[in-house]
Amino acid sequence: SAVISQKPSRDICQRGTSLTIQCQVDSQVTMMFWYRQQPGQSLTLIATANQGSEATYESGFVIDKFPISRPNLTFSTLTVSNMSPEDSSIYLCSVEDPTGELFFGEGSRLTVL
Amino acid sequence: TQLLEQSPQFLSIQEGENLTVYCNSSSVFSSLQWYRQEPGEGPVLLVTVVTGGEVKKLKRLTFQFGDARKDSSLHITAAQPGDTGLYLCAGETTSGTYKYIFGTGTRLKVLA
Repeated sequence: SAVISQKPSRDICQRGTSLTIQCQVDSQVTMMFWYRQQPGQSLTLIATANQGSEATYESGFVIDKFPISRPNLTFSTLTVSNMSPEDSSIYLCSVEDPTGELFFGEGSRLTVL
Repeated sequence: TQLLEQSPQFLSIQEGENLTVYCNSSSVFSSLQWYRQEPGEGPVLLVTVVTGGEVKKLKRLTFQFGDARKDSSLHITAAQPGDTGLYLCAGETTSGTYKYIFGTGTRLKVLA
């Protein structure tokens, strides 16, 4: 199993600003995933972050808008840049354990005014 | 692009009723997982199915993976209010970058 801590848990931001979300895992993991979830809806994969290499982004998501860092095997950050109200969402960090189970943080609820 | 469509999208039933949630795709997946998510929390794994035709039972929940590994179903017997939540299927992709694709979700509400 894995325990994931995300910060901040929620934030209200002004249009045009940027916010960095942190994800800390209590064990070393190879792959970390960042998802976006509109309240009550499903999860959309933003990118996969491997330590020591650039993140792999899904269609519709670009590095300039969602830069990701992965400095070590227990930590990652996702930045939402130049925010607009359309970026209001819940952002979830996830890791996979050796059995293939995904573990999630509690999410970071972002509201952009 | 591999997509997973879930049906129904919403379901409100009385305690004690049975229900089935479907997860369908035109793509093949290496494995398929079912998660349940409650408000303010991340999804929590219920089961993983790997082999085509596989059936797994978890108390009152029965999961089945389609023979062709393109679809899955979740059946709940005698639903209870504690089963209320967002149910998500997630497929492990077979091509391209290794990742999990989540289904569109089914929101279940069980009334006491």
